[in-house]
Amino acid sequence: KAGVTQTPRYLIKTRGQQVTLSCSPISGHRSVSWYQQTPGQGLQFLFEYFSETQRNKGNFPGRFSGRQFSNSRSEMNVSTLELGDSALYLCASSTTQANTEAFFGQGTRLTVV
Amino acid sequence: SQQGEEDPQALSIQEGENATMNCSYKTSINNLQWYRQNSGRGLVHLILIRSNEREKHSGRLRVTLDTSKKSSSLLITASRAADTASYFCATDFTGTASKLTFGTGTRLQVTL
Repeated sequence: KAGVTQTPRYLIKTRGQQVTLSCSPISGHRSVSWYQQTPGQGLQFLFEYFSETQRNKGNFPGRFSGRQFSNSRSEMNVSTLELGDSALYLCASSTTQANTEAFFGQGTRLTVV
Repeated sequence: SQQGEEDPQALSIQEGENATMNCSYKTSINNLQWYRQNSGRGLVHLILIRSNEREKHSGRLRVTLDTSKKSSSLLITASRAADTASYFCATDFTGTASKLTFGTGTRLQVTL
């Protein structure tokens, strides 16, 4: 069974630009969650998509958005990039069963210059 | 914001020794999970303990949960150099793993 795939692995963008990150979950997993990891703030929940709908949302500005497609693949978009958006962005997929773990991708390392 | 704190922030031990990490959280949970992260890569799930469980074992891992103190500990016995990584506890309120709240993490260094 293939794991969670995130693309690209690395990105360098300029302030003010926008970026789109992609995540393909494990086959059969309908929930996709996104997390931001920075040295200062640690691992923070961005949002979660389930059946193409945003079901949970973290405390991030509206510049951070996402979507999910009918095949459960998800994308997240960050507009008007700021230096502080430099981070490792992690995607995780999970099932709807209770008391199960999340499966994480290798992450996308975004650097904003 | 993060759910809670982990301590120590960093731990350095020699191969063969045991490593203990502690995690505190703030609100009621469905379960608590531990994950490992190698050098800024993805997180790997280690073990899950439900809120009605007090102790759980998996190989060289032992996890305890004290819901009255809102705390958990992870013990890695007979540590190996390959255990060098960051370890995070994560709490789950939703009942699924769709929205995890992570602790601050413990950086474990195991030297030969």
